Formats: sequence, structure tokens, C-alpha cells
Amino acid sequence: DSGVTQTPKHLITATGQRVTLRCSPRSGDLSVYWYQQSLDQGLQFLIQYYNGEERAKGNILERFSAQQFPDLHSELNLSSLELGDSALYFCASSVGTGYETQYFGPGTRLLVL
Amino acid sequence: ELKVEQNPLFLSMQEGKNYTIYCNYSTTSDRLYWYRQDPGKSLESLFVLLSNGAVKQEGRLMASLDTKARLSTLHITAAVHDLSATYFCAGANSGYALNFGKGTSLLVTP
Repeated sequence: DSGVTQTPKHLITATGQRVTLRCSPRSGDLSVYWYQQSLDQGLQFLIQYYNGEERAKGNILERFSAQQFPDLHSELNLSSLELGDSALYFCASSVGTGYETQYFGPGTRLLVL
Repeated sequence: ELKVEQNPLFLSMQEGKNYTIYCNYSTTSDRLYWYRQDPGKSLESLFVLLSNGAVKQEGRLMASLDTKARLSTLHITAAVHDLSATYFCAGANSGYALNFGKGTSLLVTP
């Protein structure tokens, strides 16, 4: 158990819908990262927040957005969902923004029908 | 953009044998990570390599980093079934995001 929690574990929804994925980092960690894992794209970095502020953006679609709240939990919002958005979404956390290990949560498996 | 390539992508090996997984990266990477993923599970951190010549060992796994060759290796010694999993290497440069390789699916058979 990494100490990073994610909810829900599984999510099934329809195309065009909007969903919110939630992540709570390990105690004391200020950075939160979101990654998407799919069979065709592999593991891809989406976005990072540090202490409430956006720090880095990766291959995140405009339909996707995220935020980190004052209590440091983070939410990833996915809207206008398409079949291709079906994937495993991981949240990871680390103490800061340097060379620390990123600890991954259990993931949310999203299925868009 | 930092690109990370692993080989082999699939590896079937007998228990008791040794093998090495290779991880090449395209540009300078500040650090190199190795993760393990069991089917349907999350990623578990194995090693973080921070400098040229770094070597880390945990049990039957040993990781090394050669920044001049832009190469990291994960060596498996006397494999056991419990090591069956997918192993990812990841690099990062001047930023915070990890760039992952495609992963090496390892199956250890009796």
C-alpha cells in the first residue's frame, strides 16, 4: 500500500458524459501527478500540481482538467467522454518536485461505452 | 522530448536463470526510475538512480545507470516465479513528469 488513495476504483459511463476522479496523496506529499495507462498509448503523463498550483502539463486533452485543493487532494475531470478515453488513470504523489520517488495509487479503471 | 525504449518487451525465462532488461533513453535524463506492475495492479517503485554509475540492489534485482551511454539495466539473478510482472523504466528531464517505456512483461516458468 503506497498511501495514495483513489476513488472510485471502477467507473462505467457512456460517451458524452462527464466524470470526476479523486486522489488523496500520501501524508506530507505536496505534489500530485496524473497518468493515463492504455494498451495503445502506454503510460502517459497528464498533469502535475504542487501545493495547489499547476506545475507541468503533458498530453492532456482540452476536454480534461484537474485541480488540487487546499487539503492537497486532487480531482481529474474528464468531459465529453469518448470510447478512446477508456483507460486506467493513476494518481501519484511525491514530497516535492525534485528527485523523489513518485508513489502511485491503485488507479481508477474507466470504461466508456 | 525524452523517449524511453525498453527491450525486450516480452521475456519468458526459467526459474534459476539470470537475465537483463535494457532501458535506453534519447536525451539527458536527470534520473531513472524502475517500477514493477502486477496484472491489474498499481505501479510499485523499485529503484531510483540519480547519477552516472549508480547501482542499486534489492533481493534478486539489481539496477544500474550509465548516463554517458544513456542506458539503464535491470538485472535479474536466479529468477523465481514471484518476479513475474511487468517492469517499467522511466526517465525525467528538467521537469517533473515521468516518461515511461512500454514495459517488459516477464514470465518466470518452472
